Parts: sequence; structure tokens; C-alpha cells
Amino acid sequence: AQSVAQPEDQVNVAEGNPLTVKCTYSVSGNPYLFWYVQYPNRGLQFLLKYITGDNLVKGSYGFEAEFNKSQTSFHLKKPSALVSDSALYFCAGGSGGYQKVTFGTGTKLQVIP
Amino acid sequence: EAGVAQSPRYKIIEKRQSVAFWCNPISGHATLYWYQQILGQGPKLLIQFQNNGVVDDSQLPKDRFSAERLKGVDSTLKIQPAKLEDSAVYLCASRNGAGGRNEQFFGPGTRLTVL
Repeated sequence: AQSVAQPEDQVNVAEGNPLTVKCTYSVSGNPYLFWYVQYPNRGLQFLLKYITGDNLVKGSYGFEAEFNKSQTSFHLKKPSALVSDSALYFCAGGSGGYQKVTFGTGTKLQVIP
Repeated sequence: EAGVAQSPRYKIIEKRQSVAFWCNPISGHATLYWYQQILGQGPKLLIQFQNNGVVDDSQLPKDRFSAERLKGVDSTLKIQPAKLEDSAVYLCASRNGAGGRNEQFFGPGTRLTVL
């Protein structure tokens, strides 16, 4: 069975500092991986995805993620955090055609002014 | 482009009552999902439709939950009878195309409280 793990329940970072939100995956075959963000009382919003190609994927709002096949990781990064980046972040992954995408448990990002 | 619409946004019911949620996906999106998101957890897939056919309902508690997507557009999710542990946010999402590689677009969710 496929799984996605987000080892940190919460990440705190000072405004202006770089941020990293961690994600590891376990899927059979070639994975496709996603990051979504959820603001309070809102649905999930797509940030970026890895399907194939370059290991460094760039997405919305200055976020990027690095796919590392040997470490089965897909960490979300941003060079300079903003207070408005404070939200709940979900990693998701799957493989194959119709196979469902599995979501991680989420990481709460708190950017401190 | 209009997003995924869901209603109601909030619902409070007593246990053993029934409740229904409605979802209207983005126009042209063939794939529709219903997720259950319990506080502090990630979304858990309940059911996935491809047009009006069910692709995956392996985690749907079929003794109390049902869903339909008539005509391959709107969808309804019903719980009958509700239990306390059904308190959660129910998210609807849609996706363009049949492959899993495309991102999903989520509605705002329905927050259900069962008392």
C-alpha cells in the first residue's frame, strides 16, 4: 500500500528566513507527488507537482520542492518566508493511472514576524 | 473559471439523523472525489467517480454512507444514520482528465458536527 509521511506536525520559522516542510513517500513504480496548502476554513489549494523530469519543481507563491528518489523525499522549500505563508501544508502522492492519491497528515507552518 | 462549489458550508445534526452534502465540480472535470478530513488529519478518500461511474469506494462505510453522481456532473454524499465519529469536514474535489497526474481542485468543504 502506498503512503505519504510528514514527520513534523508543526514548523516554526522567522519571517525572512528559509523554510522547509518535509515529506517522504512510499509508492510502487514511478511516483507523482503534490503539495497543497490549506488556509483556515478553506479547501486545499494546489501549490506544485512532480511528475517527471527536473528534480527541482517550482510552484505558486515562490514555493519549490525537490524530488529525491534515493531518499524517497519531496520536501517543500521557500527561500524567504512570509507571515502570510502561515497555513497547513499537505503532501500527497500516488502512481499509476486511476490509482488514488494518498495525503499526508499535514504540517502546520507558523511564520513568526 | 468557477471553482468547485459545495453546500451547505456548515451542518449540525443529532446522532442517528441523516444528512446530505452537495458538490458541483468545475465544468468539464470528469473525475470527482469525496474526502473526509477529521481535525488534525489529512484528507481520507471516501469515493472517486470517473464521469458517473465509481472508480474507488474501498474506504466508504457503505452501511451508512452513500454517494451518487447522476449524469456525471453534480454529486451528493449522504450519511444515514450519522454517528458521533462522523464529525469532520467533507471535501469535494474535481480533476481534469483521467490520469492521476493532474492536480485536484478542492471546494471549501462542509463542516459536519454530530451531537
